[in-house]
Amino acid sequence: AQTVTQSQPEMSVQEAETVTLSCTYDTSESDYYLFWYKQPPSRQMILVIRQEAYKQQNATENRFSVNFQKAAKSFSLKISDSQLGDAAMYFCAFPSGGGADGLTFGKGTHLIIQP
Amino acid sequence: KAGVTQTPRYLIKTRGQQVTLSCSPISGHRSVSWYQQTPGQGLQFLFEYFSETQRNKGNFPGRFSGRQFSNSRSEMNVSTLELGDSALYLCASRRTVLTGELFFGEGSRLTVL
Repeated sequence: AQTVTQSQPEMSVQEAETVTLSCTYDTSESDYYLFWYKQPPSRQMILVIRQEAYKQQNATENRFSVNFQKAAKSFSLKISDSQLGDAAMYFCAFPSGGGADGLTFGKGTHLIIQP
Repeated sequence: KAGVTQTPRYLIKTRGQQVTLSCSPISGHRSVSWYQQTPGQGLQFLFEYFSETQRNKGNFPGRFSGRQFSNSRSEMNVSTLELGDSALYLCASRRTVLTGELFFGEGSRLTVL
């Protein structure tokens, strides 16, 4: 079974600084997607960024970028110029069974932004 | 474009009762998935429906069931509620099962007393 591990239950960063959230996963598949989702307090979960495994180039969405290391099965999220609105739970997710069995989520990282 | 809508947002039930939660996906999305979110277990996949057919189911007892209607709206039902069923139940939709990205609703928070 696929597993997704987020080793940082909580991270804190000063506003305007950069923070990196870690995620590792385990799979025997060769072609897949990886996702980072953000869940603000009492608000709905939204997709932050996604990476296709066959692409060597790391995905970037404005201040959010990933460091995807396929061989190491590592998929970290870097947030640059952190803003107060970035405070949320961040979940790394992987499609299980090629997507047939839904997404497997990590336990999440609670990101705190210090003003 | 309206997002994923879940009703009710909050509800309180007692042990032994049953509950039905509703989810309206984004217009044009034919796949609806359900997830249970608890502090202890995190986010866990319940099941996914596509074109009124259940495609797969997570590791949950038979008390958890669902269905999807011809307009893609979905309901999930939990019978004989237990205290451990207290959770945030999230619905997510996507256009097809080949599309990776899920769009989530705000969830239905169920408290079982």
